[in-house]
Amino acid sequence: EVQLVESGGGLVQPGGSLRLSCAASGFTFSSYWMHWVRQAPGKGLVWVSRINSDGSSTSYADSVKGRFTISRDNAKNTLYLQMNSLRAEDTAVYYCARGVYSGNYLHHDYWGQGTLVTVSS
Amino acid sequence: EIVLTQSPDFQSVTPKEKVTITCRASQSIGSSLHWYQQKPDQSPKLLIKYASQSFSGVPSRFSGSGSGTDFTLTINSLEAEDAATYYCHQSTSLPFTFGQGTKLEIK
Repeated sequence: EVQLVESGGGLVQPGGSLRLSCAASGFTFSSYWMHWVRQAPGKGLVWVSRINSDGSSTSYADSVKGRFTISRDNAKNTLYLQMNSLRAEDTAVYYCARGVYSGNYLHHDYWGQGTLVTVSS
Repeated sequence: EIVLTQSPDFQSVTPKEKVTITCRASQSIGSSLHWYQQKPDQSPKLLIKYASQSFSGVPSRFSGSGSGTDFTLTINSLEAEDAATYYCHQSTSLPFTFGQGTKLEIK
């Protein structure tokens, strides 16, 4: 059974940092691209970042570029999101999601339960 | 950025009713359009991938259609457990985007 379990969320002051983790199990983690998607309270889903299977390629939404860093440790089956210079508008539930590529086509099939990040003084 | 616009934003429906949710893309995305269901305090669950392919384990009352810029999610014979917010999502080009969501309330 595919499982994705996020952790690391919490309350942080504006300008602060936080590192989220996503522990994967039930599949060969090193074979899949992974993504972060966030959802502000009461709002819709917003794609944040992605990383390829070996960690050599990353992409970011403009809203987090230069502040967030996605990475992974395939030996530990864990995905990370380092978030720096946090702003109030980064307050959201952060989900990790598995990306499945078929040729040039991608879909996200499994998502974690999410971890809440609150940026407030 | 590809903008996805869903309609309606909200719909109140009775059990056994047929529901149709539409998603329009601001430019052609072929069939790279997916539908998710999100219940309160839960993570999104994949229902339909590539416009019309049902994901494993999804009840047969859920179906999808469309290509290019216009897509539809249909729920036949709605059940009480289908109360949720439904999102469309495109994975053709970065940044990947989602529709604003359609909230279904069961009367």
